[in-house]
Amino acid sequence: SAVISQKPSRDICQRGTSLTIQCQVDSQVTMMFWYRQQPGQSLTLIATANQGSEATYESGFVIDKFPISRPNLTFSTLTVSNMSPEDSSIYLCSGGTGPQETQYFGPGTRLLVL
Amino acid sequence: KQEVTQIPAALSVPEGENLVLNCSFTDSAIYNLQWFRQDPGKGLTSLLLIQSSQREQTSGRLNASLDKSSGRSTLYIAASQPGDSATYLCAVEVASGTYKYIFGTGTRLKVLA
Repeated sequence: SAVISQKPSRDICQRGTSLTIQCQVDSQVTMMFWYRQQPGQSLTLIATANQGSEATYESGFVIDKFPISRPNLTFSTLTVSNMSPEDSSIYLCSGGTGPQETQYFGPGTRLLVL
Repeated sequence: KQEVTQIPAALSVPEGENLVLNCSFTDSAIYNLQWFRQDPGKGLTSLLLIQSSQREQTSGRLNASLDKSSGRSTLYIAASQPGDSATYLCAVEVASGTYKYIFGTGTRLKVLA
């Protein structure tokens, strides 16, 4: 199994600013993902974080708004840029050792944009 | 496009009842299906993973079944307890450029003492 931590756990931000969320895994994982969970909704995949290369974004999400880094197999960051109140959500990272393997999730970062 | 739906959206039962949560998906080309639990204000905890070649998985009071051809999975919880109160999410793993999970809409369960 893998234990995933996220920083910060929560934040309140002003419109127009940016926030970088960190995701740390206690063991090497092949796959890392970033999800958004808007209030009362299920999880929506933002992107797959690829080690050493550009992230793969889902439809409706772009790199300029959600730049992602993954410098190694245990760490990734997601930046929410030029925030607006519509970005208020829980952001979760997950990791797994490969396709068809259990996915492990971090505790989430609760973001409120005023 | 894969869509995952869960019924019911919310459920409230007295303690001790056996209950069934349903998950349906539109495209049977999946690699596996995973059930998760999410407590309020927390992340997700994996409960059961069913590979596409399997029919069911069991862990304690939980049993999950998978019928790929009909696009359905059920999570059976035996002898429910107040501690089971949470949101239950199912997710299917698909390959579309990269492997990824598509999540269902969730079932909010409340078990009354």
